[in-house]
Amino acid sequence: GAVVSQHPSWVICKSGTSVKIECRSLDFQATTMFWYRQFPKQSLMLMATSNEGSKATYEQGVEKDKFLINHASLTLSTLTVTSAHPEDSSFYICSARARAAGAQYFGPGTRLTVL
Amino acid sequence: AQSVAQPEDQVNVAEGNPLTVKCTYSVSGNPYLFWYVQYPNRGLQFLLKYITGDNLVKGSYGFEAEFNKSQTSFHLKKPSALVSDSALYFCAVIYGRSSNTGKLIFGQGTTLQVKP
Repeated sequence: GAVVSQHPSWVICKSGTSVKIECRSLDFQATTMFWYRQFPKQSLMLMATSNEGSKATYEQGVEKDKFLINHASLTLSTLTVTSAHPEDSSFYICSARARAAGAQYFGPGTRLTVL
Repeated sequence: AQSVAQPEDQVNVAEGNPLTVKCTYSVSGNPYLFWYVQYPNRGLQFLLKYITGDNLVKGSYGFEAEFNKSQTSFHLKKPSALVSDSALYFCAVIYGRSSNTGKLIFGQGTTLQVKP
């Protein structure tokens, strides 16, 4: 199946710093990428949807200035958590959808811990 | 509102026995339904999907799901469970105009525990 990678797989940072997470579709072109957040033993919460070359669409309650999303190419999207705080600690998962077929493929996730 | 529900937080089954993980949905229009599996500290792996066609959908690792329009259900099944099937399972539905542009919304997840 299609492969989506994320980097880094885990990161620990100090409060107030910014963290960038990369999401790549390795063997297909993804016109749409999604970013999710998952708390322990809970479901995935969609944060934003991004289409290549255009601004991301954020879900209600998600601060766009806090979570900066860039979708520069058909294979790369980045999520930057700006001025991270302990409450931002979570498991962040990206997902990519190919042009057709409808299936969404997920990255392995990034564990963010803010001290 | 579009939604999907998984009524069981956890399902326990003995290895070799059949398993069922339940999912019901509420969408306007035709549903696009999916099942994903998540292992600890990992992303989601696609198992199967229903877009149109046969109500019985076969997917990865021997899993299958049956779309039942009258009961608005899409239960995940496997004839013979393996210990390695133990994981967190998510049912999901796409809402939006098409499966290529809509957004996936997830159920709350069901933990499957298969005991030897």
